[in-house]
Amino acid sequence: EAQVTQNPRYLITVTGKKLTVTCSQNMNHEYMSWYRQDPGLGLRQIYYSMNVEVTDKGDVPEGYKVSRKEKRNFPLILESPSPNQTSLYFCASIKVGDADTQYFGPGTRLTVL
Amino acid sequence: EDKVVQSPLSLVVHEGDTVTLNCSYEVTNFRSLLWYKQEKKAPTFLFMLTSSGIEKKSGRLSSILDKKELFSILNITATQTGDSAVYLCAGVTNAGGTSYGKLTFGQGTILTVHP
Repeated sequence: EAQVTQNPRYLITVTGKKLTVTCSQNMNHEYMSWYRQDPGLGLRQIYYSMNVEVTDKGDVPEGYKVSRKEKRNFPLILESPSPNQTSLYFCASIKVGDADTQYFGPGTRLTVL
Repeated sequence: EDKVVQSPLSLVVHEGDTVTLNCSYEVTNFRSLLWYKQEKKAPTFLFMLTSSGIEKKSGRLSSILDKKELFSILNITATQTGDSAVYLCAGVTNAGGTSYGKLTFGQGTILTVHP
């Protein structure tokens, strides 16, 4: 089954404790992306990756890091989480040139205390 | 800075009504405009629009893009309670070649359809 998986789905952590949210897709898509969704602000792109070893900033990259060492994986790293990073996070992938195959992961609800 | 604005922010209608959702965009090096439906989970893809004036249609939903006036509309005819959701649009930049660049989402339109 074609899908994007994220782990963990729910996470409660404390300020400053480094964490990684994993994202994996099994569709061989070139493009992957991370978003955060906050009430009243819609979806905002954090980082995106056009292919392996190619990443770029979205609209809200501060406080986040990403890497794309393999085509299928695109982890999101919070080196020192802060309460303003409490949010719902989505990973997504797109087959370049065919937006009909954009898939979102199920989401990760992160709470930073 | 790229910007996408949706209107109205919320809409309440009765089953059978027709609704029009608006999306205006200012996106550098514009590639395409995407529409999504989001219920209580991840967004699901509805349409991708790249050319002006060509209507995309799927059942009771249709959408069109105006690249001169920089807006798109999403129409839903004969609404049903199952259409209740947040509808999101996003502008996509062209990163060169055939590659997608940055996506900028609007804040969404909350549609509520009453029986």
